[in-house]
Formats: sequence, C-alpha cells, structure tokens
Amino acid sequence: DAGVIQSPRHEVTEMGQEVTLRCKPISGHNSLFWYRQTMMRGLELLIYFNNNVPIDDSGMPEDRFSAKMPNASFSTLKIQPSEPRDSAVYFCASSRTSGGSTDTQYFGPGTRLTVL
Amino acid sequence: AQTVTQSQPEMSVQEAETVTLSCTYDTSESDYYLFWYKQPPSRQMILVIRQEAYKQQNATENRFSVNFQKAAKSFSLKISDSQLGDAAMYFCAYREGAGGTSYGKLTFGQGTILTVHP
Repeated sequence: DAGVIQSPRHEVTEMGQEVTLRCKPISGHNSLFWYRQTMMRGLELLIYFNNNVPIDDSGMPEDRFSAKMPNASFSTLKIQPSEPRDSAVYFCASSRTSGGSTDTQYFGPGTRLTVL
Repeated sequence: AQTVTQSQPEMSVQEAETVTLSCTYDTSESDYYLFWYKQPPSRQMILVIRQEAYKQQNATENRFSVNFQKAAKSFSLKISDSQLGDAAMYFCAYREGAGGTSYGKLTFGQGTILTVHP
C-alpha cells in the first residue's frame, strides 16, 4: 500500500511568487494534516481536514496561506505571495478518524520549500 | 495548552549499546496518546512506537520500548542493541484522545539528535 505522497519534494521560488504544495493521503484515511517544520519553531500543525472539511486552521500563519481538499484523495497548500520566512519543510500526514478518535498519523516525505 | 519537552538536544551511543531518550509532557487530560517518531536525514517522519495513556503496560516494538510514567508525565524511549541505522532525530509527540478539542492534533517536542558510533 502506498504511503502519503507529496509533491514536489523540493521547491525553490522567488519572493512574491505563488507556491502550491500537493498531497495524496493513504487510501481509506479520512483525516489529513498539514505540518510545517522550521529550526526556530519545530514541527507545528497548520491545518486539519476531516472528511474533506477543514476542522482547525488556527495554525495557518496568515491570509497568504490557504489549503483545500476537494476530494478524499487530494489536498493542496497554497502560499500567495511567498516570503523568505516561509522557507521550511512542509509535511502532509493522514489517518483514520471515527467516533471522534483519530488513529496514528502517517507522514509523507515532506516538501522542502526555499523562498529566495 | 499541552506542551511536550525533550530536554536532551543531542545524545550519542555506541553500536550494540542501549540508550534512553527522555520526554516529559504537560496535560490536564486523562485520555491521550503518546508517540515517538524518528526522522532520519531523509527527513521522512517514521512512527517508532505508540502508547495509550489508559494502558499501564509499557509499549514495545522489537528493540524499542518505552517507560511510561503517567503520574510523573514522563515518556522515555529506550533503544536496545543500537544500530547505525538508528541514527536520526527523534521526536516525542502528544495527542488528545476521543472527545478532546484538539481534533487529533499532534504536539511535538523539540527533538533529540541521536548519533550512533560504530
């Protein structure tokens, strides 16, 4: 069974450009999480979807960040316009959730974003 | 808010020896889960072991075991017979149980870099 798939693995862009990160969760998982990892802040949750619906986006840093999950097998995280301080590794994770209980989260390989 | 603290930024161990990584957490919840994730240089986050707070028995997975002290809010990871492939950053993580308000959010510690010497 394929794990969580993320693309691209690496992204280098210039300040002001739009960046779109993509994620395909594990088949059968109904919860999807976007995390960001930086040296300063460590790993932090940006947004969480359950059954394609955004449940908690309190971790999204500002309006420049947006996330969508149009169907159960695909999600995007968009940054527009990008800034150098957005440089980080962005992880997508998925799990099964039922009855309010979330199972173990499995992570994708991450996207390393560099904004020049 | 829940917090997770890993007080050892770096640890080292000789191959075939045993090492213990420390983790403490703060929560007012009674139902929660604790995890150890491994992040090798490839940066992939790999689940090592999981512990349910309602279980008194410590979890084990092959060479990996935990010492879960609920009253002390301590959750250490023991790696036995260390191998070169165990070298990585290790993260301790906390998650509320069913009915919590954090909706499955993982709260991570700062990480511990483990070096394995041949």
